[in-house]
Amino acid sequence: QKEVEQDPGPLSVPEGAIVSLNCTYSNSAFQYFMWYRQYSRKGPELLMYTYSSGNKEDGRFTAQVDKSSKYISLFIRDSQPSDSATYLCAMSETGANNLFFGTGTRLTVIP
Amino acid sequence: GAGVSQSPSNKVTEKGKDVELRCDPISGHTALYWYRQSLGQGLEFLIYFQGNSAPDKSGLPSDRFSAERTGGSVSTLTIQRTQQEDSAVYLCASSLDSSYSPLHFGNGTRLTVT
Repeated sequence: QKEVEQDPGPLSVPEGAIVSLNCTYSNSAFQYFMWYRQYSRKGPELLMYTYSSGNKEDGRFTAQVDKSSKYISLFIRDSQPSDSATYLCAMSETGANNLFFGTGTRLTVIP
Repeated sequence: GAGVSQSPSNKVTEKGKDVELRCDPISGHTALYWYRQSLGQGLEFLIYFQGNSAPDKSGLPSDRFSAERTGGSVSTLTIQRTQQEDSAVYLCASSLDSSYSPLHFGNGTRLTVT
């Protein structure tokens, strides 16, 4: 079993839709959770960074962590064509020096 | 610079040749990481530096891979006697420290071994 599981998609939605991206994990000791966005031929860029359980909101993006279910989500409201990218979840027990990444979900937002 | 800089952005090499990939981290970031990204495989951790030392080399795939960091800044990843399975995007990232600070990635070097 992989440490982190992420549905690779692809996921295609119309502009304005609410997008839900998810990852599950097996290590109950994970406490740092991140979402990265990666455009084609670019490096991943950090979108959201949360510690432990709960929600975090930043503009159209909301990150949720449910440690009891070992499940994290990223919601994108009012999705835009510019949101079309691959979204990677990442998590760690101890910090940045021991990150486990999901394989990424490819999202396309259709105008 | 404003972000992590990697060079070259693309590299095509013949099987058996050596290659050097360079990473220039964000100024002031003490931790530096190398990852490999293959299609459908996600990010594979290779090596991590704190300052000039590498506490964790566990991800290097074989002894053909080596990395160094000098002056607490620029890092070089060297692949000797390249093989076709080495073809991938090699990503470098840096962070303020190795604990709670998130990683900031460069745009990678796309390596193709023919």
